[in-house]
Amino acid sequence: EPEVTQTPSHQVTQMGQEVILRCVPISNHLYFYWYRQILGQKVEFLVSFYNNEISEKSEIFDDQFSVERPDGSNFTLKIRSTKLEDSAMYFCAGRQGGGYGYTFGSGTRLTVV
Amino acid sequence: ELKVEQNPLFLSMQEGKNYTIYCNYSTTSDRLYWYRQDPGKSLESLFVLLSNGAVKQEGRLMASLDTKARLSTLHITAAVHDLSATYFCAVDIAGQNFVFGPGTRLSVLP
Repeated sequence: EPEVTQTPSHQVTQMGQEVILRCVPISNHLYFYWYRQILGQKVEFLVSFYNNEISEKSEIFDDQFSVERPDGSNFTLKIRSTKLEDSAMYFCAGRQGGGYGYTFGSGTRLTVV
Repeated sequence: ELKVEQNPLFLSMQEGKNYTIYCNYSTTSDRLYWYRQDPGKSLESLFVLLSNGAVKQEGRLMASLDTKARLSTLHITAAVHDLSATYFCAVDIAGQNFVFGPGTRLSVLP
């Protein structure tokens, strides 16, 4: 069964550093998403991406965050200057559209120290 | 703003028992999803409910959707230890994104 692949699985970074989280979606997916989950808490929407544009973003997705699909395959989330409160599990998700569900990647655990 | 609630938030039950997890949401949507999450793991899709009255079953789990009542249920039949996990419902907002419920942490005790 096709999978959404995320790398790295775990990243530790110092506060103020930039991080890039990578996702390889399933090839026939059209819509892409980033969500995050602070340890033990609910899953929160960050941003949705379609046709090489952001289609919606949440209040969490401020100027420190950006997304790209630079080569038509990888889908990246960049955090420019990490803060301690950015420590969370970040999930990439994708879907085909229509009545199909979302497929989530395995997640990247980001730890900001 | 769409709010999604689940209850109970914590559920401890004995093997062999039945129980239902409830998911309420505050605005109109006709698409609801159930996910399972094991500790430290990703979200595993359980059910996709796409219309009012939809009912789906897989093994010991059955999910239903009542869009008029804005309610979905996840029913567990004859629970086994392997079902211990956190269960999330998520409501689709016009295909733009999900809003997740807070999750129900289920522990099935021998």
